[in-house]
Amino acid sequence: QKEVEQNSGPLSVPEGAIASLNCTYSDRVSQSFFWYRQYSGKSPELIMSIYSNGDKEDGRFTAQLNKASQYVSLLIRDSQPSDSATYLCAVNTGNQFYFGTGTSLTVIP
Amino acid sequence: DVKVTQSSRYLVKRTGEKVFLECVQDMDHENMFWYRQDPGLGLRLIYFSYDVKMKEKGDIPEGYSVSREKKERFSLILESASTNQTSMYLCASNTPGRYYGYTFGSGTRLTVV
Repeated sequence: QKEVEQNSGPLSVPEGAIASLNCTYSDRVSQSFFWYRQYSGKSPELIMSIYSNGDKEDGRFTAQLNKASQYVSLLIRDSQPSDSATYLCAVNTGNQFYFGTGTSLTVIP
Repeated sequence: DVKVTQSSRYLVKRTGEKVFLECVQDMDHENMFWYRQDPGLGLRLIYFSYDVKMKEKGDIPEGYSVSREKKERFSLILESASTNQTSMYLCASNTPGRYYGYTFGSGTRLTVV
């Protein structure tokens, strides 16, 4: 079983819609969780981090964490074409850092 | 602005060449990492270092070595480049501890011909 699993997509949403990206992880001692955005041909860029159960909002982005279900998600409100990218979920257990393989998001104008 | 800088954005090398990929960070981070990223395979850890002169093998160290002589610099060495090492190479760094994410360099797209 992979440490971090994401649907590879592609996920397509119309401009202005909410994009929902999901991630599950296997290690119950995981401490912190991160979302990275990666444009084609570029390196990953950190966009959100979350450490506690519940929601964390930053502009159009909301990260949601449910440690009991070992589930973390990223919501992008009012999606824009510039949000089209691959989104990587990452988990820090304190000893190791694990990445999912990413979900490709396309926002259709 | 804090940075992780990789020396080359694109690199083309011949099979059998010795290849050096350089990474420098200005954030005083203890931890540094080298990954390669291939379509469908995600990020795969090659080597990492938690301190100067310290190195640990990651998941796919074969055919690679590393050097960390100074805290800010972590070099990846392909001893004898092969075509299956054609990939995007990403350097990253972070502060130790469970709350810290990685900062990535801009990546080096290496093609071995």
